[in-house]
Amino acid sequence: GENVEQHPSTLSVQEGDSAVIKCTYSDSASNYFPWYKQELGKGPQLIIDIRSNVGEKKDQRIAVTLNKTAKHFSLHITETQPEDSAVYFCAASKPAGNTPLVFGKGTRLSVIA
Amino acid sequence: KAGVTQTPRYLIKTRGQQVTLSCSPISGHRSVSWYQQTPGQGLQFLFEYFSETQRNKGNFPGRFSGRQFSNSRSEMNVSTLELGDSALYLCASSFRTSGSGYTDTQYFGPGTRLTVL
Repeated sequence: GENVEQHPSTLSVQEGDSAVIKCTYSDSASNYFPWYKQELGKGPQLIIDIRSNVGEKKDQRIAVTLNKTAKHFSLHITETQPEDSAVYFCAASKPAGNTPLVFGKGTRLSVIA
Repeated sequence: KAGVTQTPRYLIKTRGQQVTLSCSPISGHRSVSWYQQTPGQGLQFLFEYFSETQRNKGNFPGRFSGRQFSNSRSEMNVSTLELGDSALYLCASSFRTSGSGYTDTQYFGPGTRLTVL
């Protein structure tokens, strides 16, 4: 089955700097890659997603890149702010066979003011 | 549009008891998935229901079960609770089932924090 690895597990950045979180997946049939942000005491919230027919997607300070050949995708957050501090999860899914989302183990991002 | 709601938000049970958790999906969403979140294992898929039918099941023992009602609300039940069942149980809803050939965005609820003593 699908396996998703996420790095790093913790990340500290200064406010205003950029943060990059990387994920690799094992199943080349996967074609949907969402990123979720989870704040303390809350459920995961979708922040951006990408499908395999595009290589990059951007939404204001957040961008995701996908390299299908290498089977990895990355989350980029620019101009980080203290409110970006949270745990971020990547996930992968393939369209057929009733396959669920498979999540990475998460990255705890701390933005230091 | 109201988000996914889960009740109760917190539960404390003792070993051997059973528990029922409830999830109301976003209006119009017919697929409900359940996940268990623990610090050690992360987010693990339990099962998915669509149109009152279980469409997919994760690798959990039979003590974990669920159901879905005609209004798409879903419940999950854990019988004979063990200490290791302490976790955050998350429910997510989407419009289509994972078996539709297209992966819909899943929207998560706030979760139910279960503590087993």
